[in-house]
Amino acid sequence: GENVEQHPSTLSVQEGDSAVIKCTYSDSASNYFPWYKQELGKRPQLIIDIRSNVGEKKDQRIAVTLNKTAKHFSLHITETQPEDSAVYFCAASKGGSYIPTFGRGTSLIVHP
Amino acid sequence: GAVVSQHPSWVICKSGTSVKIECRSLDFQATTMFWYRQFPKQSLMLMATSNEGSKATYEQGVEKDKFLINHASLTLSTLTVTSAHPEDSSFYICSARVNRGTGNTIYFGEGSWLTVV
Repeated sequence: GENVEQHPSTLSVQEGDSAVIKCTYSDSASNYFPWYKQELGKRPQLIIDIRSNVGEKKDQRIAVTLNKTAKHFSLHITETQPEDSAVYFCAASKGGSYIPTFGRGTSLIVHP
Repeated sequence: GAVVSQHPSWVICKSGTSVKIECRSLDFQATTMFWYRQFPKQSLMLMATSNEGSKATYEQGVEKDKFLINHASLTLSTLTVTSAHPEDSSFYICSARVNRGTGNTIYFGEGSWLTVV
C-alpha cells in the first residue's frame, strides 16, 4: 500500500518567515495530494490540494509543489503569522476509490 | 466546502458501556464515509470505510465487532464503540468524500472526544 513520509515533525519559525513542509509517497499511481491544517482539538481543514496533472498550485500565502518523478510534494507558507500555528498533514491517494494515506503531521509554531 | 457534522463532540462513558457517534453530511449525499481515530499529537489512523447500504471495510487490526459501523442512508454513518474500555479513549473523526467535478475531496467532521472511565 501507499506510504507517506512527512518532515519535519516540528517546525518553529519567526513571524514573517517562510515555512516549508515536505512529503514523499511510495505509490507512483497516486494522483491526488491534499494538505490539511488541524488546530488543537478541531477537525482537519483542507487548505490546498494538487492533482498529478500540475506541478504547482498557489493560493495567496500558501503554495504546493509536486514532483512526480521524485514522488515528493511540499507545502510552502510565506509571510507566516501566529494564526498559522497548527499541525499540518499531507496525504496521498489514487483512483476513484480515493482513500487517502496521511503523513504523520508537522507541528508548525510561529513565534510573534 | 462541504459540511460534515459529527455528534457528540465529546462524551464520557463508563467502562463496559457502548457509545454511538454520528456523522452526517449536511448539504450533499455521501455514499462513502471514513472513520478515523487520532491519539494526541499523532496522525489520523483510518479505522474503516463506511459504504452506504453495505458492510463497512475495516482496516487491519481494527476489531469490527467492537467498532460497529452502520451507513443506513446517504447522509448518515454511525460508529458504535461497544463495551468501551479506557484504552478506547481517543479523538474519533469521520470524513466524507465529495466529488466536486474536478475530482474527489475529503471533508472532515468536527470530531468526537471519547473518554472511558
